[in-house]
Amino acid sequence: EIVMTQSPATLSVSPGERATLSCRASQSVSSNVAWHQQKRGQAPRLLIYGASTRATGIPARFSGSGSGTEFTLTISSLQSEDFALYYCQQYNNWPYTFGQGTKLEIK
Amino acid sequence: EVQLVESGGGLVQPGGSLRLSCAASGFIFSNYAMYWVRQAPGKGLEYVSAISSNAYSTFYANSVKGRFTISRDNSENTLYLQMGSLRAEDTAVYYCARDHYDFWSGYSAHWGQGTLVTVSS
Repeated sequence: EIVMTQSPATLSVSPGERATLSCRASQSVSSNVAWHQQKRGQAPRLLIYGASTRATGIPARFSGSGSGTEFTLTISSLQSEDFALYYCQQYNNWPYTFGQGTKLEIK
Repeated sequence: EVQLVESGGGLVQPGGSLRLSCAASGFIFSNYAMYWVRQAPGKGLEYVSAISSNAYSTFYANSVKGRFTISRDNSENTLYLQMGSLRAEDTAVYYCARDHYDFWSGYSAHWGQGTLVTVSS
């Protein structure tokens, strides 16, 4: 099973600033990584797939990069609605696996 | 509009069984692979099971293999998860999710609201 490790566990950032979230895979997953946002009591929301392609309706301030084992989600200018939990997910091999999540909180 | 509505969750004793359903609408159900993903209280997300559009292929997490069975009825636009030999660690919100494309992509933009399964005596 591929282990996805996210860092940091919690990230404190001020509104308007940039946030950078990291995800590392225990083995190469090519570009088969998605990023999801989850708010309390809600289902996950797909942000990015293919490591760097924004899903439909996702604002341009969200961007993804990386391949192989190292991946990054960047939010260029944080809005109030962006403070949430973020999960990376690999879909290169079954079982598909998520990272443990990064909580993005207001500084 | 794509809609996925889970049902069948509830309180069950350890060792018991439960069947979850996911009613799908707003898309051609028979064209898409489907998934069950769960989230234990206060914890992260875990893929439990997956099924191809024609039900020929099924996949399970090691944690549920041999205890859970995924199935689908394409004539009724419904996905199922039959859960048996339930354990306390199966307690979670169970989401059904649709594959993003009408080929197997491995990720989902459409999720249900989830149904809570609690395994406790």
